[in-house]
Amino acid sequence: GQQVMQIPQYQHVQEGEDFTTYCNSSTTLSNIQWYKQRPGGHPVFLIQLVKSGEVKKQKRLTFQFGEAKKNSSLHITATQTTDVGTYFCAGVSGAGSYQLTFGKGTKLSVIP
Amino acid sequence: SAVISQKPSRDICQRGTSLTIQCQVDSQVTMMFWYRQQPGQSLTLIATANQGSEATYESGFVIDKFPISRPNLTFSTLTVSNMSPEDSSIYLCSVEGRETDTQYFGPGTRLTVL
Repeated sequence: GQQVMQIPQYQHVQEGEDFTTYCNSSTTLSNIQWYKQRPGGHPVFLIQLVKSGEVKKQKRLTFQFGEAKKNSSLHITATQTTDVGTYFCAGVSGAGSYQLTFGKGTKLSVIP
Repeated sequence: SAVISQKPSRDICQRGTSLTIQCQVDSQVTMMFWYRQQPGQSLTLIATANQGSEATYESGFVIDKFPISRPNLTFSTLTVSNMSPEDSSIYLCSVEGRETDTQYFGPGTRLTVL
């Protein structure tokens, strides 16, 4: 079945440093999504990438979808303590299926 | 976005008992899902709750262990039956999001089985 690998598992950064998490799928994806889960909270939808090579930005967050639609990255510029949490990617193989395959997540800690 | 509530928010149960978790949405939705998130782990889909028909279960999950009801377009329940400590997890319901394939998650139910 479809697998979505995500690295790194943990990342500790000093406040102000940049952070990147990477996802790689074993199969070509219809779309990929990113979710953030704060400590003790539930996953919150951040963004969806659909097109090959797509790049989207949300303030300090930059999301990329690879040309082959098998990998994706999330980059945070100048991290803040509010960025703390676990970031999950979730891949979808069949458009409209709502079948999300989640990566294991990257837990971000930000040292003030 | 849809507002989703879950009851209970947390519970501590004895092994061998069953717990029913409720998921209520403030608007009608077609797709509702139930996930399990074990401590420090990722999310695993248990089943898709279909209105008017039986739930569709993922590999490794069976109806006898996780019976699901979906009586209408705003409500669903998940029962964790004959619990063991291995069932200790966060159980999350989710619904379809505004964009195709995206999902909104409820606050979760934190279950501890002793």
